[in-house]
Amino acid sequence: DAGITQSPRHKVTETGTPVTLRCHQTENHRYMYWYRQDPGHGLRLIHYSYGVKDTDKGEVSDGYSVSRSKTEDFLLTLESATSSQTSVYFCAMLQDRTNYGYTFGSGTRLTVV
Amino acid sequence: GQQLNQSPQSMFIQEGEDVSMNCTSSSIFNTWLWYKQEPGEGPVLLIALYKAGELTSNGRLTAQFGITRKDSFLNISASIPSDVGIYFCAAMAPRNSGNTPLVFGKGTRLSVIA
Repeated sequence: DAGITQSPRHKVTETGTPVTLRCHQTENHRYMYWYRQDPGHGLRLIHYSYGVKDTDKGEVSDGYSVSRSKTEDFLLTLESATSSQTSVYFCAMLQDRTNYGYTFGSGTRLTVV
Repeated sequence: GQQLNQSPQSMFIQEGEDVSMNCTSSSIFNTWLWYKQEPGEGPVLLIALYKAGELTSNGRLTAQFGITRKDSFLNISASIPSDVGIYFCAAMAPRNSGNTPLVFGKGTRLSVIA
């Protein structure tokens, strides 16, 4: 198996509530990424991490924060969810720096009502 | 920021036909990759290209890294129903330090009619 899992797979939440999505990897890779996927926009980078406690913003980081307190877990938090954050969220890890092949999780479908 | 222009956005083809899609940019990249996403799953890497002019095959799939380093194409020969999905191009800029994330195209949605 790919060694990267996301939880939950589906979530419905109300506007204004905080939401945390979890990405867990079992392969001790240094680089991890959070993307959102929306029709017509493809995959857009939210935040990424290049090590424990080392994170940086992507192109659509407003309204999101991340934490990486240990190598295996990369958390994405929506501090106060809005309807515009309804999306499918994908986590990825850089499995092999020699070919830049990201391995993606299966995604979390988040609906903000 | 850097953008990848992927075309076509969608394709409807008959089973057995060949498929061609491409990605272009105004920026130079030193790595091009092609991913496929099936419904309900994350993208999966199909082919990686590292050198301008490189042509690489993976079964019925062939991809090329453009000579100008600003484009790439993916061909699928003799399409079959399981080729259905969204195909994404992705690229890495030359200033890569290992931290620089990939840039993704918006995807080509492929439908195969049996």
